[in-house]
Amino acid sequence: DGGITQSPKYLFRKEGQNVTLSCEQNLNHDAMYWYRQDPGQGLRLIYYSQIVNDFQKGDIAEGYSVSREKKESFPLTVTSAQKNPTAFYLCASSIMGEGETQYFGPGTRLLVL
Amino acid sequence: DQQVKQNSPSLSVQEGRISILNCDYTNSMFDYFLWYKKYPAEGPTFLISISSIKDKNEDGRFTVFLNKSAKHLSLHIVPSQPGDSAVYFCAASEWGNKLVFGAGTILRVKS
Repeated sequence: DGGITQSPKYLFRKEGQNVTLSCEQNLNHDAMYWYRQDPGQGLRLIYYSQIVNDFQKGDIAEGYSVSREKKESFPLTVTSAQKNPTAFYLCASSIMGEGETQYFGPGTRLLVL
Repeated sequence: DQQVKQNSPSLSVQEGRISILNCDYTNSMFDYFLWYKKYPAEGPTFLISISSIKDKNEDGRFTVFLNKSAKHLSLHIVPSQPGDSAVYFCAASEWGNKLVFGAGTILRVKS
C-alpha cells in the first residue's frame, strides 16, 4: 500500500522553539517537496530535493531547513527564525524524468502557542 | 509575480450541470499543466494533466483544455456532483522543473 505519510497531523510550537515535520514515502520516488499553504492562497514551495543528500531552496525557504539522508524521508524543520509559522504544510513526491506529476501527503497543521 | 493565475476565487454550480474552472499563465516556457483537487485539511489529489503537445485530455467526467496561444487552460467537469465540491488548483511547469501553483478556485456543487 504505497503512499506518502506526514506526521503529526497537528503540531504546536512555542515561541523560540524549533519543530520538525516528518514526511515519508514508499513510492520509490526520487524527488520530494515541501509546500506551505496559507488561507486563501495557493501552495508555495519551501524546499525540494531531487536526489539523496541534495536539496534546493524554493520560493520561501527562510526560516526553514531540510535534510535528505534517505530516499524515503524528507523532514522539514521550522526554526525559530520563521516568524509566521502558522500554516498547513504539505509534502509531495514525484518520479524524476516523467514530468512533474506530484503526489501529496495528508498535510500537517502547525499552530503557534 | 504570479505566473499562474486562477482569477475566480469561487464557483457555484447546480448538480448535474457543467463546472468550468479557468486558469491563465504568463510563462510561455511552461509545457506541462496539471489540475489538483483539495478537500479541507487534506493534501491535494492529482486529477488530470496535459502536455503542451495536446489541446485536450479527457478522463471520465474531467476534461482539460489547453489554448497555448491564449496561455489559458480550463477544467470541465460534466456532470458535476456534490462530491466534487472542493478547492481546485491548477499548476504548470517547464519539463523537469518545479511546479508553479495558482491560488485555487473553490467549487460548490449544489444539490
